[in-house]
Amino acid sequence: AQSVAQPEDQVNVAEGNPLTVKCTYSVSGNPYLFWYVQYPNRGLQFLLKYITGDNLVKGSYGFEAEFNKSQTSFHLKKPSALVSDSALYFCAVRGFFSGTYKYIFGTGTRLKVLA
Amino acid sequence: ETGVTQTPRHLVMGMTNKKSLKCEQHLGHNAMYWYKQSAKKPLELMFVYNFKEQTENNSVPSRFSPECPNSSHLFLHLHTLQPEDSALYLCASSQEASGGRNSYNEQFFGPGTRLTVL
Repeated sequence: AQSVAQPEDQVNVAEGNPLTVKCTYSVSGNPYLFWYVQYPNRGLQFLLKYITGDNLVKGSYGFEAEFNKSQTSFHLKKPSALVSDSALYFCAVRGFFSGTYKYIFGTGTRLKVLA
Repeated sequence: ETGVTQTPRHLVMGMTNKKSLKCEQHLGHNAMYWYKQSAKKPLELMFVYNFKEQTENNSVPSRFSPECPNSSHLFLHLHTLQPEDSALYLCASSQEASGGRNSYNEQFFGPGTRLTVL
């Protein structure tokens, strides 16, 4: 079955430390992978995407993500976390599901950066 | 206004009411989406409109009825809802490839309508 998994409901990290938010996927064919962020009372906001090419993708606000085909993962990373990074993060994959192209989102991971 | 706007931002309704959610995108996109966001659940895709044609209905109950009069506007008509329909309803838009080909364009989301059904 096609799916996206975010195994952690919440990730806590101290300000200034590196952060990782995990995402794994299961999809046939070449996936297009996305990360979105949701701040309180707001819609989702695009951060970055992997389509093809370099496995390390750089996005907004200093975030980057590493595509690992053998591990079917697309973890979100940032070298130094800020308190303002605290938000809900969603991984998504776009692929061919049930006869049509569509996006599938994960359950979200709440990131808490502690001062 | 820019981006994707949604009105109202908050809505409280009884189970016998009829109301509508409105979404407008100012990005010139050709696809629009309705999602339901509930706590601790994946984002649930409800409806997709490509080039104003409904291309997806993910087994959504008939008490939710979408309408897409043009490529910039999307409505979600609500009637006889249940308390479990309380959630954040998000609208999104994207620019899709024609002819059923895959595209890799990201979606742009509105701020959502927080719906409470009493």
